[in-house]
Amino acid sequence: GAVVSQHPSRVICKSGTSVKIECRSLDFQATTMFWYRQFPKQSLMLMATSNEGSKATYEQGVEKDKFLINHASLTLSTLTVTSAHPEDSSFYICSARVHNRAGGLKETQYFGPGTRLLVL
Amino acid sequence: DQQVKQNSPSLSVQEGRISILNCDYTNSMFDYFLWYKKYPAEGPTFLISISSIKDKNEDGRFTVFLNKSAKHLSLHIVPSQPGDSAVYFCAATPSGTYKYIFGTGTRLKVLA
Repeated sequence: GAVVSQHPSRVICKSGTSVKIECRSLDFQATTMFWYRQFPKQSLMLMATSNEGSKATYEQGVEKDKFLINHASLTLSTLTVTSAHPEDSSFYICSARVHNRAGGLKETQYFGPGTRLLVL
Repeated sequence: DQQVKQNSPSLSVQEGRISILNCDYTNSMFDYFLWYKKYPAEGPTFLISISSIKDKNEDGRFTVFLNKSAKHLSLHIVPSQPGDSAVYFCAATPSGTYKYIFGTGTRLKVLA
């Protein structure tokens, strides 16, 4: 299957600093990537859809000035958590949309391994 | 408003038996459904999917059933293996989009 990587896997930062998380598609080009966050024992919540070469589309309730998304190339999307606070501590996961090689009706998303953010 | 629900937070099954994980949804505009498996501190791994025009899809030990009238889908794993122990999420896609709406997850434990 398609491989998606994330870096870093874990980050601890002080309150007020900004943190950048990278999401890369390693063996395919991804025109669309998605960013999710997951709180402990809860579901994955979609934050935003990242389209290469255009502005990201944010879900309701997600602050676009707080969570900056850049999708500058077909293999890289970045999420920057600006002025991070303890309530931003979470598990952030990206995914990339891959075309169904059999020509199916929908494309499957492949997920990265996630980034654990802890803001002190 | 949780549009995709997995009402069983956990399930324990003996090795070799069938595991049945359930998922209910409320939005009739969902037209594609998927199951993902997730280990702690890792991203979800795709298992199997089904389009709303079908009622069953099978891939090896995994079978997904869709009952549109009941807005219910289920994942059957048979035979269950200890390596299947993980959290399983169902996800649904609204028609015309590629967004995934995830359920709350069910933790499966397969006992040796």
